Amino acid sequence: AQSVTQLGSHVSVSEGALVLLRCNYSSSVPPYLFWYVQYPNQGLQLLLKYTTGATLVKGINGFEAEFKKSETSFHLTKPSAHMSDAAEYFCAVSGFTGGGNKLTFGTGTQLKVEL
Amino acid sequence: DSGVTQTPKHLITATGQRVTLRCSPRSGDLSVYWYQQSLDQGLQFLIQYYNGEERAKGNILERFSAQQFPDLHSELNLSSLELGDSALYFCASSPRQDPTDTQYFGPGTRLTVL
Repeated sequence: AQSVTQLGSHVSVSEGALVLLRCNYSSSVPPYLFWYVQYPNQGLQLLLKYTTGATLVKGINGFEAEFKKSETSFHLTKPSAHMSDAAEYFCAVSGFTGGGNKLTFGTGTQLKVEL
Repeated sequence: DSGVTQTPKHLITATGQRVTLRCSPRSGDLSVYWYQQSLDQGLQFLIQYYNGEERAKGNILERFSAQQFPDLHSELNLSSLELGDSALYFCASSPRQDPTDTQYFGPGTRLTVL
């Protein structure tokens, strides 16, 4: 079974500082990995995804993530945090299940950005 | 705006009751997924439909059922409701049933069972 683990349920950074949200995966097959963001009282919005090809993936709002097979990681980074980045972030792995497919999510990381 | 719509936005009901949540996928998307988000369980996959057929089942209770109609909208039916069913229910859609496809999420239906 595929799974993802997000280290740190709460992360706090200063505005302008580096954002690093950690995600490690477990998968017996090459994983397809996603980062979603959830703002208060809203649905999930895709930030970026890795399927195949280039291991450094760039997403929206200045976020990027690097797929590292040797470390089974897919950490999310942003060079300079903005107040508007405060939200909950979910790492997910996608895979086949039965005759279909599904996303398996991590427990989420709440990002707080302070002045 | 993801293009996925869900109604109602909020639902308050009593234990033992039955409710129906509705989802309209993005135009052209054939797959619909249902997820439950709660404080204790996190985000859990419930069920997937593709072009009207059930394709994958997750941690969906027997009291819950779903269907996808010919116009591709989907409904999630929750019956004999319990306090623990209070949660945010998300619908998502994707073009195909390929794990590389992005799933686009609706705004969710917040269910409160009193």
